[in-house]
Amino acid sequence: GDSVTQMEGPVTLSEEAFLTINCTYTATGYPSLFWYVQYPGEGLQLLLKATKADDKGSNKGFEATYRKETTSFHLEKGSVQVSDSAVYFCALSNAGGTSYGKLTFGQGTILTVHP
Amino acid sequence: DTEVTQTPKHLVMGMTNKKSLKCEQHMGHRAMYWYKQKAKKPPELMFVYSYEKLSINESVPSRFSPECPNSSLLNLHLHALQPEDSALYLCASSEGPSAGELFFGEGSRLTVL
Repeated sequence: GDSVTQMEGPVTLSEEAFLTINCTYTATGYPSLFWYVQYPGEGLQLLLKATKADDKGSNKGFEATYRKETTSFHLEKGSVQVSDSAVYFCALSNAGGTSYGKLTFGQGTILTVHP
Repeated sequence: DTEVTQTPKHLVMGMTNKKSLKCEQHMGHRAMYWYKQKAKKPPELMFVYSYEKLSINESVPSRFSPECPNSSLLNLHLHALQPEDSALYLCASSEGPSAGELFFGEGSRLTVL
């Protein structure tokens, strides 16, 4: 079945540091890829998405590129802020595979940014 | 309106109680979902409703009973729960049943005593 693997956390950075959170996936067909963010005490919010190979999703200074050759969708931000502290989930949706109608999530990466 | 609204935000119940969680969306979405999330873990899918019909039940115990009264509302009825059922219950919706972008509510935090 489909699966998503995220880098182990937690990740602790100083403000204005560069952020990378690695995400790789296994899926049949042509999945769509997502990054969701969960701030403390809240539900999940879609951060960005990409629906086909070589697409780049971007939002709020975050970027991720859908790399089919490496089955990856790494999240990057050039300069993090304290307000970016949250849990980040990589996820895929595969309407053409066996996971029709479901999102498959990675384990989540806790990010803490210090002033 | 791009919100998914869940009530109540917090719920404490005993193992013999019957309670319900409610979810509402007015985006015209035709698929709605219940997820369960334990602390520091990813959400786990429980149920999917597509066009008001139950399309996926991820082998959830019968003490959880979903209901979709209409295309905007989703309920989760709770009865005879166990302490290990304590978790954050998230409702989500999407335009159609092929998932894609999900819109999540803020969740109902359930504690079973």
